Amino acid sequence: NAGVTQTPKFRILKIGQSMTLQCTQDMNHNYMYWYRQDPGMGLKLIYYSVGAGITDKGEVPNGYNVSRSTTEDFPLRLELAAPSQTSVYFCASSYRPPGTGGAYNEQFFGPGTRLTVL
Amino acid sequence: QQQVKQSPQSLIVQKGGISIINCAYENTAFDYFPWYQQFPGKGPALLIAIRPDVSKKKEGRFTISFNKSAKQFSLHIMDSQPGDSATYFCAATPRGSNYKLTFGKGTLLTVNP
Repeated sequence: NAGVTQTPKFRILKIGQSMTLQCTQDMNHNYMYWYRQDPGMGLKLIYYSVGAGITDKGEVPNGYNVSRSTTEDFPLRLELAAPSQTSVYFCASSYRPPGTGGAYNEQFFGPGTRLTVL
Repeated sequence: QQQVKQSPQSLIVQKGGISIINCAYENTAFDYFPWYQQFPGKGPALLIAIRPDVSKKKEGRFTISFNKSAKQFSLHIMDSQPGDSATYFCAATPRGSNYKLTFGKGTLLTVNP
């Protein structure tokens, strides 16, 4: 299993450009997440998905969009890049069996995409 | 409003010493507290986790201590090794939405040989 893979590893964008960060997992996980990590700030949840066709906002969704057409893929779209979106982006996934409302489900993280907006 | 406060920001320990990282939370709905370890250039990975119905959990050299009344928890790394040098994040998840992680800001641990 490759686990969670992300592409690209690095990208430089100009202000106002658009791009899609790709995320794929091969663990048949139903939950997927996007986080951003800024220096000294921890990780903040951007969007998450509990299954194909279902997405919801996290703590910092402004300026981003997501879609989940398959179980495996969860792309993150930046429509009009701004310098404030310079960050390292992590995709993660977890498996939550039906009816396990009280159980914590470990999240598995990808290697990250380092994005710079100039 | 920062829901999970982590300290210190950075920590330098000698090989063989004890590393201690502390976290405090405010939201009483949190009911699961994982710690993640992140090496440079990699994504975070789950290290150890605890529920508030126990006060301590040990896995090898890593121990979580939990104080529910004080709303604090800490990670102790015994016999710290240079290979433990990484950034450590505490996190918390709320009851009913236990897939939503709220992270602390992280602690950069350096273990000198």
